[in-house]
Amino acid sequence: AQSVTQLGSHVSVSEGALVLLRCNYSSSVPPYLFWYVQYPNQGLQLLLKYTSAATLVKGINGFEAEFKKSETSFHLTKPSAHMSDAAEYFCAVSGDSGGGADGLTFGKGTHLIIQP
Amino acid sequence: GAGVSQSPSNKVTEKGKDVELRCDPISGHTALYWYRQSLGQGLEFLIYFQGNSAPDKSGLPSDRFSAERTGGSVSTLTIQRTQQEDSAVYLCASSLEGGASYEQYFGPGTRLTVT
Repeated sequence: AQSVTQLGSHVSVSEGALVLLRCNYSSSVPPYLFWYVQYPNQGLQLLLKYTSAATLVKGINGFEAEFKKSETSFHLTKPSAHMSDAAEYFCAVSGDSGGGADGLTFGKGTHLIIQP
Repeated sequence: GAGVSQSPSNKVTEKGKDVELRCDPISGHTALYWYRQSLGQGLEFLIYFQGNSAPDKSGLPSDRFSAERTGGSVSTLTIQRTQQEDSAVYLCASSLEGGASYEQYFGPGTRLTVT
């Protein structure tokens, strides 16, 4: 069984400041980890994923995340926030390395607010 | 190329009516997923199809929910005797194959409102 905890339902940062969105997971098997972004009235778009290769994963739009097994964390960062980054961000885990039958388990989401 | 499409984009229905939600996956994608997004429950996985087969239907919220996929392509999610707690956004995703190593591509969702 898997679960995901995202700390902070809302995070506010100034434009140009560091973005840090926190995600902790639990999984009974080696996990696959994902970050998705959702803009208003749109579906989810994959930002990046960890699949047991490099622990530092780079994604689209300047985002990256680091897998830390000892901390069971997969925090999302971006060095400099842009107004267009304002959106809902979801961390997700899949422990299913086989057939996909378990789908993805998502966190509750973090609403990122960018202050001008 | 075309992404995952869902129809209708919005559906308002009266309590007790049946509704059908449609998902057109990306052409050639063998795996298809349904999720539900609601304020109270967040994003929940409902069901997965590999081809036309759904190996596990235990994620469906109740026996009023059913899903099918035909021709390895289009899928429909049917909710019978809708209740107010069914109000949510229903998201469909597809991937080239089943399994976490394959990226899931999401559609824009169907917003269901039960009055």
